[in-house]
Amino acid sequence: QQPVQSPQAVILREGEDAVINCSSSKALYSVHWYRQKHGEAPVFLMILLKGGEQKGHEKISASFNEKKQQSSLYLTASQLSYSGTYFCGTERTGANNLFFGTGTRLTVIP
Amino acid sequence: EAQVTQNPRYLITVTGKKLTVTCSQNMNHEYMSWYRQDPGLGLRQIYYSMNVEVTDKGDVPEGYKVSRKEKRNFPLILESPSPNQTSLYFCASTPPLEAGYTFGSGTRLTVV
Repeated sequence: QQPVQSPQAVILREGEDAVINCSSSKALYSVHWYRQKHGEAPVFLMILLKGGEQKGHEKISASFNEKKQQSSLYLTASQLSYSGTYFCGTERTGANNLFFGTGTRLTVIP
Repeated sequence: EAQVTQNPRYLITVTGKKLTVTCSQNMNHEYMSWYRQDPGLGLRQIYYSMNVEVTDKGDVPEGYKVSRKEKRNFPLILESPSPNQTSLYFCASTPPLEAGYTFGSGTRLTVV
């Protein structure tokens, strides 16, 4: 039941933009996004509910297309602090039981 | 401070020796869950609990047990650990609906 994330890894220079995609073969109720820095626990970024909404968090925003069961995370004008592994978590029933993707490793270099 | 506390942070044990990883949250969350994280496989759910005395299997429950006797605690039990259970384990909790998970700091388990 794991969603599929792409790309698996991306390297950016400071100030560049990136998009991380997450797709599921099942209908979704919500999508979560988390960031995990090396040696630390995942940290919640945002949740998107079905309805095609877009949310923002500083320079990080996301969209959710429930018809396609897809979500995208947008990182604009990347900063060194954005480095880490990004996970999407998908939820199908509204009970908040998440299945996570395999992650996208983002590296921002000066 | 609102948090999920896991213990121990690191554990090395031998095959077959029963162990328990504790997880406690102070946010009065109904939902708690255990995940294991392995390179290239992401976070895979082991067990979850919707509330006290309500638990269910996730994607990879074999070799694990859980219990939820109190709302705040959700221990993970390995009755007879094997080397393939060497992994990084995370406990997480959340309110029932439409809210993000709070993760514990993780437990790195090595079974030799």
